[in-house]
Amino acid sequence: SQTIHQWPATLVQPVGSPLSLECTVEGTSNPNLYWYRQAAGRGLQLLFYSVGIGQISSEVPQNLSASRPQDRQFILSSKKLLLSDSGFYLCAWSVGRLGKSHYEQYFGPGTRLTVT
Amino acid sequence: GESVGLHLPTLSVQEGDNSIINCAYSNSASDYFIWYKQESGKGPQFIIDIRSNMDKRQGQRVTVLLNKTVKHLSLQIAATQPGDSAVYFCAENTGTGGFKTIFGAGTRLFVKA
Repeated sequence: SQTIHQWPATLVQPVGSPLSLECTVEGTSNPNLYWYRQAAGRGLQLLFYSVGIGQISSEVPQNLSASRPQDRQFILSSKKLLLSDSGFYLCAWSVGRLGKSHYEQYFGPGTRLTVT
Repeated sequence: GESVGLHLPTLSVQEGDNSIINCAYSNSASDYFIWYKQESGKGPQFIIDIRSNMDKRQGQRVTVLLNKTVKHLSLQIAATQPGDSAVYFCAENTGTGGFKTIFGAGTRLFVKA
């Protein structure tokens, strides 16, 4: 079965500090990978998605970046955090199946980031 | 830009009653819709999906209805249980691959025992 891991679960960082959040998927190959941010009591905002190693698409301009060094590893980074970067960060994966062109996404447990 | 929205931010129902959560979408090109359930402090979980060539789809205790004429989507939960308490998101995507799934703001469902 497939599993998705995110760490850390919670993080408190000062403004201006760097960030690195990691997501790994097990039990599947060539997944599509996604990073979302969720503000308190709000919906999910797609930040980045990746269809393969080294392939990153950005959905919103921001001081965040993403990388995919391995097939099942997705990393979210920042060189200098802003207060507005606080939120719940979710990683998700999806994979195509023969005959199906739209895929549900499977989410990780999330990382709660507080920038102080 | 176009987005998915929800009519009701909160919904409170009695245990055992049926729940109906509504969603409006504005992108007429959307052809795939998904409902997710998110429990407190966790990531969303897939509940049920529906393609635009369908009007209704049933799962275990859940039914999704799609009205393309008025661009409306609903999730019906039969015999609502305390474990159904969560935030429910509708989501839509267009085109192949499902890469750009747009999520609505969410509806919080409270189930009273």
